Amino acid sequence: GESVGLHLPTLSVQEGDNSIINCAYSNSASDYFIWYKQESGKGPQFIIDIRSNMDKRQGQRVTVLLNKTVKHLSLQIAATQPGDSAVYFCAENMGGGFKTIFGAGTRLFVKA
Amino acid sequence: GAVVSQHPSWVICKSGTSVKIECRSLDFQATTMFWYRQFPKQSLMLMATSNEGSKATYEQGVEKDKFLINHASLTLSTLTVTSAHPEDSSFYICSANPSDSYRELFFGEGSRLTVL
Repeated sequence: GESVGLHLPTLSVQEGDNSIINCAYSNSASDYFIWYKQESGKGPQFIIDIRSNMDKRQGQRVTVLLNKTVKHLSLQIAATQPGDSAVYFCAENMGGGFKTIFGAGTRLFVKA
Repeated sequence: GAVVSQHPSWVICKSGTSVKIECRSLDFQATTMFWYRQFPKQSLMLMATSNEGSKATYEQGVEKDKFLINHASLTLSTLTVTSAHPEDSSFYICSANPSDSYRELFFGEGSRLTVL
């Protein structure tokens, strides 16, 4: 199976600050990217997505940036709250059956 | 949003036995479902693509005879871990999307397998 199965890096932020989580994807042919949030013992939860014909997309308190030149994604969370504490994964979709491959993930800790 | 349900949410079994995990799409039909496994503090690894009415497509390195997948209806896919061993202990997660026009995957809550 495909995955970057490394131990998760950690980001620790103060409540109310902005968080930036970065991700490098692997396939230049991927045309759809998704950020998921996973809480302990649960399945991933969709946060926001972006297609390859865009470089920025905003949601409620979240923004995703896509840099296709360097194959880089970032997730920005504004005014981070304790409930945002979780593991965040970027995922790339390679089309043709909608196979979605996950990146390594980042654990976000929000300090009150 | 669309709901995907997994059962059981956790299971403990003895080494050498087989365990079946069900994945159901509750309010939509899914011709394709995906099975992932996740070890502690690691990412989700795609194991296979489950295709309704046909054979599953397995990722490289995943043993198809060990992880049997059946997708007999548009709302149900099952993963059977055969002759389970302690190294098969993991968190197994399924996913599906409601329509070919969407690519967002909806995930089940996962099934934690512990093999003694």
